[in-house]
Amino acid sequence: EVQLVESGGGLVQPGGSLRLSCAVSGFSVSTNYMSWVRQAPGKGLEWVSVIYSGGNTYDADSVKGRCTISRHNSKNTVYLQMNSLRVEDTAVYYCARGGPGSSYASWGQGTTVIVSS
Amino acid sequence: DIQMTQSPSSLSASVGDRVTITCRASQGISNYLAWYQQKPGKVPKLLIYTASTLQSGVPSRFSGSGSGTDFTLTISSLQPEDVATYYCQKYNSVPLTFGGGTKVEIK
Repeated sequence: EVQLVESGGGLVQPGGSLRLSCAVSGFSVSTNYMSWVRQAPGKGLEWVSVIYSGGNTYDADSVKGRCTISRHNSKNTVYLQMNSLRVEDTAVYYCARGGPGSSYASWGQGTTVIVSS
Repeated sequence: DIQMTQSPSSLSASVGDRVTITCRASQGISNYLAWYQQKPGKVPKLLIYTASTLQSGVPSRFSGSGSGTDFTLTISSLQPEDVATYYCQKYNSVPLTFGGGTKVEIK
């Protein structure tokens, strides 16, 4: 059974950092595109980052230079390191299996990030 | 970057009505278009991929069409359980942009 379980969200002050994790079972993160998608309160879905099976990564302009997606193959886990957090980064962050050429058929339940002083 | 524009942003229809949602890409994306359904407080769910392929387990009243820049999601007979927000997404290349969403309610 495919499962994606996010963790690491919480309350952080503006300028702070968080690392989100997405623990995967049922498939290998090393051979799949893996993405992060976020949803601000009352807003729509926003693609954040993707990591390719080959290791290339791409980020949305809104987080470029502040967020880094990575993975640990033996732990079968994907991460999103978020630095210099802003109030507007407040959102539910979802991990999803998919990327260019592959739609998001599997999603985690989400982890909530609140950036506030 | 390619922009994805959905219309309408919301709609209200009666049970049994045919509902159509449109998604337009600012440049051609072939058929790399997916539709997702998100019910209130829930995780998004894939409904349709490659513009017209129904994801396994999705009721046949949902259908998708289009290619290039213009795409449509149709619910042939709206049911109470279809109350949700629907999003299109381009996934041909990064950025993997979503449309703004269409909120569907029952009249």
